[in-house]
Amino acid sequence: KNEVEQSPQNLTAQEGEFITINCSYSVGISALHWLQQHPGGGIVSLFMLSSGKKKHGRLIATINIQEKHSSLHITASHPRDSAVYICAVKRGSNYKLTFGKGTLLTVNP
Amino acid sequence: DAGVTQSPTHLIKTRGQQVTLRCSPISGHKSVSWYQQVLGQGPQFIFQYYEKEERGRGNFPDRFSARQFPNYSSELNVNALLLGDSALYLCASSLDGDPSGNTIYFGEGSWLTVV
Repeated sequence: KNEVEQSPQNLTAQEGEFITINCSYSVGISALHWLQQHPGGGIVSLFMLSSGKKKHGRLIATINIQEKHSSLHITASHPRDSAVYICAVKRGSNYKLTFGKGTLLTVNP
Repeated sequence: DAGVTQSPTHLIKTRGQQVTLRCSPISGHKSVSWYQQVLGQGPQFIFQYYEKEERGRGNFPDRFSARQFPNYSSELNVNALLLGDSALYLCASSLDGDPSGNTIYFGEGSWLTVV
């Protein structure tokens, strides 16, 4: 079992819909990152969380440390949101990030 | 300000050859990490360097090596290439060595194809 599991693997939505992507992890962590990857390969950091909730524009990220779970929400989705969304965690003093496999989001007009 | 820059963007190598990938972090960032992303998978950690010292190493064979220069740029070297080394190699920089304290910034990656 992977240390970081994301669901769903693939998600198709209509423009305007509310999107939720989930991330569960099996180990204690010190931080969790949500990242966006477009087909060209480059990755953009969306959020870094260690507790609670963060909001940036139409994106909201939440984390529940006790339940080892985080969610990324997109309100009023748009075709330009189509990308792979990746969850990554950092454990304690370990320097590396461990990534989930990603969720491929397609938003149709 | 320039973001994280990687070169080359695409390259094709033959099995058994050696490859060097380069990364320049954002100005002022002292930490560089390297990740391998095979098609359809999430990135896998290879190395992290901070202040020119190796701070972490992932589960990769000794064919993979890296270094960080005084200007904080970095090179990733892979010797005796195998077909399975075909992947997107991503470089990430951050202000210091702790990814729980700072935002990380990724380059566009180097696409390596081994034939």
